[in-house]
Amino acid sequence: AQSVAQPEDQVNVAEGNPLTVKCTYSVSGNPYLFWYVQYPNRGLQFLLKYITGDNLVKGSYGFEAEFNKSQTSFHLKKPSALVSDSALYFCAVRDPTDSWGKLQFGAGTQVVVTP
Amino acid sequence: NAGVTQTPKFQVLKTGQSMTLQCAQDMNHEYMSWYRQDPGMGLRLIHYSIGAGITDQGEVPNGYNVSRSTTEDFPLRLLSAAPSQTSVYFCASSPTGTANTEAFFGQGTRLTVV
Repeated sequence: AQSVAQPEDQVNVAEGNPLTVKCTYSVSGNPYLFWYVQYPNRGLQFLLKYITGDNLVKGSYGFEAEFNKSQTSFHLKKPSALVSDSALYFCAVRDPTDSWGKLQFGAGTQVVVTP
Repeated sequence: NAGVTQTPKFQVLKTGQSMTLQCAQDMNHEYMSWYRQDPGMGLRLIHYSIGAGITDQGEVPNGYNVSRSTTEDFPLRLLSAAPSQTSVYFCASSPTGTANTEAFFGQGTRLTVV
């Protein structure tokens, strides 16, 4: 069975500082990994994904994530955070061998960027 | 382009009432799913469908029913609402057979059961 862990309920960062949101996963075989962001009272928006290839994946709004197979991690990063990045972030995993392609989500990490 | 549309956006039900949450997508996606979002628990899969006439249960299916008569629509029915079903509900869609594609989400339905 696949699972995702986001060890931090909340991450606080000052505007202009680097932002990291952690994610670890458990899945048999090679995973498909995704990051989504949710702004208040909105649906989830896709940020980026790792399928195969380069371990560093670049996505929307200046975000990137690094896939680390040995540590089973897929941490989300942004070099310089903005106040507008304050939102709820979800990591998700799909088992490529699952023909139904079900997404398993982590519990979410609230990011608070202060001016 | 509308994407995934959910109605209503907000709903208050009394315990024991039934209702249907609507979900429609205009991207011709075969795969559709329903999630509920509760604080500290992320999104949990309720039911999903890989095409018209084909549905299956997810992680938390009890108290919910689904059907898929068309590619576009995937309604979620609450048979007899309970306070434990107070939550935010999201519908999502994605192409089937391509597990490497991202899912597209609706704006959500905030349901309160009193």
